Amino acid sequence: AQSVTQLDSQVPVFEEAPVELRCNYSSSVSVYLFWYVQYPNQGLQLLLKYLSGSTLVESINGFEAEFNKSQTSFHLRKPSVHISDTAEYFCAVSDVSNDYKLSFGAGTTVTVRA
Amino acid sequence: ETGVTQSPTHLIKTRGQQVTLRCSSQSGHNTVSWYQQALGQGPQFIFQYYREEENGRGNFPPRFSGLQFPNYSSELNVNALELDDSALYLCASSSRDRWETQYFGPGTRLLVL
Repeated sequence: AQSVTQLDSQVPVFEEAPVELRCNYSSSVSVYLFWYVQYPNQGLQLLLKYLSGSTLVESINGFEAEFNKSQTSFHLRKPSVHISDTAEYFCAVSDVSNDYKLSFGAGTTVTVRA
Repeated sequence: ETGVTQSPTHLIKTRGQQVTLRCSSQSGHNTVSWYQQALGQGPQFIFQYYREEENGRGNFPPRFSGLQFPNYSSELNVNALELDDSALYLCASSSRDRWETQYFGPGTRLLVL
């Protein structure tokens, strides 16, 4: 069974500053990794995913995450945040043999201030 | 292309009652998953349906049941509601060959009093 730990429950950050959201997972098998974003009163939106290949993955709105197998981590970063990035971010993992089930972390709330 | 829709948006029930939540998949998607998101927590996988059959289940009791219809829409039924069932219920659809991209609906917020 997999589990996901998001190390920060709340991250306040100023506009145009960088942000890093930390995610660690535990699993005995190969995994797929995801970051989802949830804006207030909305469902989840897929931000980016790692399935295989390059360990650095990017989203269309400037976020990136790096899969580190030795440290079992999948941290999310953005070099310069906007007010519109204020949201809750969830890290999720699915093992390769059980691809339909996503296990989510508890979430990190990012609040961007001007 | 329509997205995933869920109904109702909000619902209030009392303990012991039964509830049915509905989900319409994104066009072309034949797989539906249901998740429960309690306040302040991440979503928890309830079960998935593919071609009208349950295709996997999380750690939820049998009073949580579901259906998938030929048009791939889906229902989540919860019997004998408990206070702890209060949560946001999310439905996600995907195509079987692109399962990794799950599209989530806005959710149904259930309050059990």
